[in-house]
Amino acid sequence: GENVEQHPSTLSVQEGDSAVIKCTYSDSASNYFPWYKQELGKRPQLIIDIRSNVGEKKDQRIAVTLNKTAKHFSLHITETQPEDSAVYFCAASITGGGKLIFGQGTELSVKP
Amino acid sequence: EPEVTQTPSHQVTQMGQEVILRCVPISNHLYFYWYRQILGQKVEFLVSFYNNEISEKSEIFDDQFSVERPDGSNFTLKIRSTKLEDSAMYFCASSYTLSDTQYFGPGTRLTVL
Repeated sequence: GENVEQHPSTLSVQEGDSAVIKCTYSDSASNYFPWYKQELGKRPQLIIDIRSNVGEKKDQRIAVTLNKTAKHFSLHITETQPEDSAVYFCAASITGGGKLIFGQGTELSVKP
Repeated sequence: EPEVTQTPSHQVTQMGQEVILRCVPISNHLYFYWYRQILGQKVEFLVSFYNNEISEKSEIFDDQFSVERPDGSNFTLKIRSTKLEDSAMYFCASSYTLSDTQYFGPGTRLTVL
């Protein structure tokens, strides 16, 4: 069945460094890939998403890349700040939305 | 900015009891979802709902689970006879169209004793 694997499970970086989180998906029909950020005790919030017709999307310090051939996509955060500390979830969907299959989550810690 | 709301924030129940988790999706949204997250595990899809009927459900969503939109604002998840393994954080989400962003509620933590 559909599956999304996410790595690493924890990531610790110094403020100002870059952070990269990687996900692989199993269903080649997947065509929508959102990333959610969840701060402690708060709801998951969409930070960026990408659809299968593009290879990269950027929004200020956040970028996502998609490699359809390899079936993986990555989140890149540059110039990290302490407020970037949270759990980040990747997800995939084969219907362009609707049912989301989530990765296991990455706990990012940015040390000042 | 409109938000999805959920009540209660924490529900404690005895095994075998029925629970109803409530959600108020964003008002003009048409697609509604329930997900759950067992502590330390990934977020799992349970069910999607559109036009007053289930559009997709996962293997987790068995006969013990049901969803309902009883009025124009609420969206509920009912678990008829709770089991210990139903203990989890339950998230409601909504979107305007199938391909739009899903906005999540703050979750209901269900504890089954």
